[in-house]
Amino acid sequence: QSALTQPASVSGSPGQSITLSCTGASSDIGAYNYVSWYQQHPGKAPKLMIYDVSDRPSGVSNRFSGSKSGNTASLTISGLQAEDEANYYCSSYTSSRILVFGGGTKLTVL
Amino acid sequence: EVQLVESGGGLVQPGGSLRLSCAASGFTLTSSWMHWVRQAPGEGLVWISRINTDGTTTNYADSVKGRFTISRDTAKNTLYLQMNSLRAEDTAVYYCGRGPGSHSENWGQGTLVTVSS
Repeated sequence: QSALTQPASVSGSPGQSITLSCTGASSDIGAYNYVSWYQQHPGKAPKLMIYDVSDRPSGVSNRFSGSKSGNTASLTISGLQAEDEANYYCSSYTSSRILVFGGGTKLTVL
Repeated sequence: EVQLVESGGGLVQPGGSLRLSCAASGFTLTSSWMHWVRQAPGEGLVWISRINTDGTTTNYADSVKGRFTISRDTAKNTLYLQMNSLRAEDTAVYYCGRGPGSHSENWGQGTLVTVSS
């Protein structure tokens, strides 16, 4: 099972909206609505930001939203803040009954 | 409050074995799927394994299948990862996670495994 594809880095200015992409295949993202997104600050454990494509856990800011089209999922962060600077990972359930992560995107807030 | 605490990491020689533990509190293992995820130094997250609520279903990434075994002790409310035939590429921080089968809602702080001679 191949890893999902994410851009290595993305940057944006405070207040802007940015979208992170995550490309998979018809056997993972395209087949199931089980895409999740995690935020990870250096040296910290990951934090769940979005699950089941577009659901937000309690306590996560509504500035974070998720969507999916075909084999590609997206995470949009609106009103970018300095604290959003982190690594972001997407994940999907697959037809092999395992999970797979993307390589991660480093978000820089300029 | 849900809490996960990993332990058991350390330095091990190639070909050796190690057992990681994940002590859970604030919930029971019989109510959640549990996952193991690892992260090599400077690298991204890699999903390794999961076990279902009644312990009857386990799944593994190809990279560890046949070498790693996920299990649990419900009396101790503790999740385990038995790692055999360890390789240098298994060096990573290992995290346990709680959630449904598709993602982890809660994570531990991780335990570092170093495979080196």
